[in-house]
Amino acid sequence: ETGVTQTPRHLVMGMTNKKSLKCEQHLGHNAMYWYKQSAKKPLELMFVYSLEERVENNSVPSRFSPECPNSSHLFLHLHTLQPEDSALYLCASSQESGGNYNEQFFGPGTRLTVL
Amino acid sequence: GQNIDQPTEMTATEGAIVQINCTYQTSGFNGLFWYQQHAGEAPTFLSYNVLDGLEEKGRFSSFLSRSKGYSYLLLKELQMKDSASYLCAALDSNYQLIWGAGTKLIIKP
Repeated sequence: ETGVTQTPRHLVMGMTNKKSLKCEQHLGHNAMYWYKQSAKKPLELMFVYSLEERVENNSVPSRFSPECPNSSHLFLHLHTLQPEDSALYLCASSQESGGNYNEQFFGPGTRLTVL
Repeated sequence: GQNIDQPTEMTATEGAIVQINCTYQTSGFNGLFWYQQHAGEAPTFLSYNVLDGLEEKGRFSSFLSRSKGYSYLLLKELQMKDSASYLCAALDSNYQLIWGAGTKLIIKP
């Protein structure tokens, strides 16, 4: 257990569905991240919420929409996804402190399959 | 562009030593991380190097050469449970992590 939980662990959805991924961290961290992990590819950073500010990656399609209602919870809302969006979606958190960087703690991920 | 290179897969024998290399090219540099990821599980932090040299933590050691843009993770006395993917990630000048694709390490009896 890393202190970061994700639900659901597995999700199968059609291209017309709307679903949400949930992440919760119990570590008191002030930054949270969404990553996409595809086989044999580097982790792709999708979104960051740091010190309550959202940092976007402009290459993420609008069919992915993050929401961070507080420092402990992070959601990724999904709609009209494509089969190539099938991947492992990882959530992570860290404690950011003025330029000093601490390690990220990852959740177990949600394995997403888009049919 | 920014880039991390590490071997895709390595095989080693139980009880032996293995070295996983990582080279990086980033805009600025604020340190290098190694993470371990077992299949179907979360990546977990192994080490962080920002100064040149070797950092030892039990059976695992990590080395950094900033002038060469090079790091390695050294695993000693390999155990079957060390079978996993090992992810190298460099922190650039904006404190953004640049990730490698990971090295899948297979341990054979």
